[in-house]
Amino acid sequence: DIQMTQSPSSLSASVGDRVTITCRASQSISTYLNWYQQKPGKAPKLLISAASSLQSGVPSRFSGSGSGTDFTLTISSLQPEDFATYYCQQSYSALYTFGQGTNLEIK
Amino acid sequence: QVQLQESGPGLVKPSQTLSLTCTVSGGSINSGDYYWSWIRQHPGKGLEFIGFISYTGRTYYNPSLRSRVSISSDTSKNQFSLRLNSVTAADSAVYYCSRGETGGYGLALAIWGQGTRVTVSS
Repeated sequence: DIQMTQSPSSLSASVGDRVTITCRASQSISTYLNWYQQKPGKAPKLLISAASSLQSGVPSRFSGSGSGTDFTLTISSLQPEDFATYYCQQSYSALYTFGQGTNLEIK
Repeated sequence: QVQLQESGPGLVKPSQTLSLTCTVSGGSINSGDYYWSWIRQHPGKGLEFIGFISYTGRTYYNPSLRSRVSISSDTSKNQFSLRLNSVTAADSAVYYCSRGETGGYGLALAIWGQGTRVTVSS
């Protein structure tokens, strides 16, 4: 099974900050990596697919990069609505495993 | 605009069967290269992929649940359903249905229902 490990598990930042979240796969997954945002009490929302493809309607301050085993989600300038939990998910193998999540909090 | 809505009992007794339905509006579950999926989230925890049924009727189940789970679809009602047998307290979670999409990049869960909380308790 492919394990997905995110770091950090939690992060405090301020509005306007640049933030990077990392996701590491236990084996190479090419660019079969998706990122989701989840706010409390809500369903996850797909932000980025295929490691770097921004979904329609997602602000351009979000970006994704990486291939193989190491991936990053970057928010270039944090906005108040960005404080949420972020999950990566591998789509390389059928188990479609998620990372444990990164809780982005207001400093 | 495609929308998904889960429905089903919020309380299930141990050893019984959890049954949930996802109603799709704004699009047909028969059309397009979509994978109608179920995901769950234990309280305060991360996300677990349960399985899907494809537009061709092909199913996939998480190996850890495979002996207890089934996913089916009813095209006449534009719904797909989840059944999980022999539930225990460990199956208490928020259950989401989702439309998975592929495009040469594996499966991305692009549209989600709002989720339904299921508690297993006597």
